[in-house]
Amino acid sequence: DAGVTQSPTHLIKTRGQHVTLRCSPISGHKSVSWYQQVLGQGPQFIFQYYEKEERGRGNFPDRFSARQFPNYSSELNVNALLLGDSALYLCASSGDTYEQYFGPGTRLTVT
Amino acid sequence: RKEVEQDPGPFNVPEGATVAFNCTYSNSASQSFFWYRQDCRKEPKLLMSVYSSGNEDGRFTAQLNRASQYISLLIRDSKLSDSATYLCVVSTLDTGRRALTFGSGTRLQVQP
Repeated sequence: DAGVTQSPTHLIKTRGQHVTLRCSPISGHKSVSWYQQVLGQGPQFIFQYYEKEERGRGNFPDRFSARQFPNYSSELNVNALLLGDSALYLCASSGDTYEQYFGPGTRLTVT
Repeated sequence: RKEVEQDPGPFNVPEGATVAFNCTYSNSASQSFFWYRQDCRKEPKLLMSVYSSGNEDGRFTAQLNRASQYISLLIRDSKLSDSATYLCVVSTLDTGRRALTFGSGTRLQVQP
């Protein structure tokens, strides 16, 4: 079975630009969560979606937005990029339990 | 105070050693608990869920103490391949949200 997939794997952007990251969950999983991980820290929760509805939002500015599509895939959008947005962005999918399974991540570098 | 606190390490142990990690969490409403393993520049991988009765998976044993709000992970007979960062994770059901809260991780280096 395919695991969680994310694209792109790496991305370099300039300050002020916009970025869209994509995620496809494990087949049968209806919930997708997004996390940001900066070097030396654990992942920080950004958003959770279930059946296309936002279920929760972490402590991130409004420049961060996301959505989930009918096929349960998801996009994370970040506007007006700052240097501090450079991080590994992780997508996790979950089924009926609390267990979440992560994709390989998108490594974003903002210059 | 962080919601989930771990000793960052590193823990440097020889092959075959037994090593234990602890973590504490601050939200008494936390309902689910996990240990994830993360290799350098890779995604976290679920190592094991942690149950109130304690649970074991091969060389790994996890314990939960709800009264003291701490979670432990014991690794017996350490292998070189166990070298990684171990993340303590808690989950709280809050208005339908099942987000995970991660500690900063404990780094383990197993040496030959």
